[in-house]
Amino acid sequence: DAKTTQPPSMDCAEGRAANLPCNHSTISGNEYVYWYRQIHSQGPQYIIHGLKNNETNEMASLIITEDRKSSTLILPHATLRDTAVYYCIVRPSGGSQGNLIFGKGTKLSVKP
Amino acid sequence: DGGITQSPKYLFRKEGQNVTLSCEQNLNHDAMYWYRQDPGQGLRLIYYSQIVNDFQKGDIAEGYSVSREKKESFPLTVTSAQKNPTAFYLCASSNSNTEAFFGQGTRLTVV
Repeated sequence: DAKTTQPPSMDCAEGRAANLPCNHSTISGNEYVYWYRQIHSQGPQYIIHGLKNNETNEMASLIITEDRKSSTLILPHATLRDTAVYYCIVRPSGGSQGNLIFGKGTKLSVKP
Repeated sequence: DGGITQSPKYLFRKEGQNVTLSCEQNLNHDAMYWYRQDPGQGLRLIYYSQIVNDFQKGDIAEGYSVSREKKESFPLTVTSAQKNPTAFYLCASSNSNTEAFFGQGTRLTVV
């Protein structure tokens, strides 16, 4: 079973920030939080990852709570092309990667 | 360019036939994965391999088989024992210090 839970769907107005939450209350100390997105009928695309500090790149920002039990992916200025399913997963750093379990993700619809 | 390639993009199979989906990567990744995705659903793990000549079952391995004879290749065979094989199949690869990279998928249809 996936170690993360996400809302099944969210809407966002074009140009506004999209804030996608993820709960990972059983995360271990050596596990990173990764975010991917999947546009219809394509392979998932990596967005960002983090361990405990907040992270930002050209695509998004990742805010991880101090207790690491939840995180939020922020798309600062959502566009129609950001409409996709967003997956949050946890995976260990280094060594054996084990399996890589995805949940059902959040379907984000960006509306004009 | 480095990447992960799945072929073919579309595949049709008659009931009762085995079919093999190809997945090749030139990223020098140790781990490779196969997922199945049904309409409106998330990704479900079929098999994964962390090293050559070794692989483990995922959540839905029944009716599927894999091999990992080379680091670059992780083919998936959908056997006749898989009762509902029509789906979108995704392959991925990763290393311990990288994100997972996905192929563009193979859409299998049983006719």
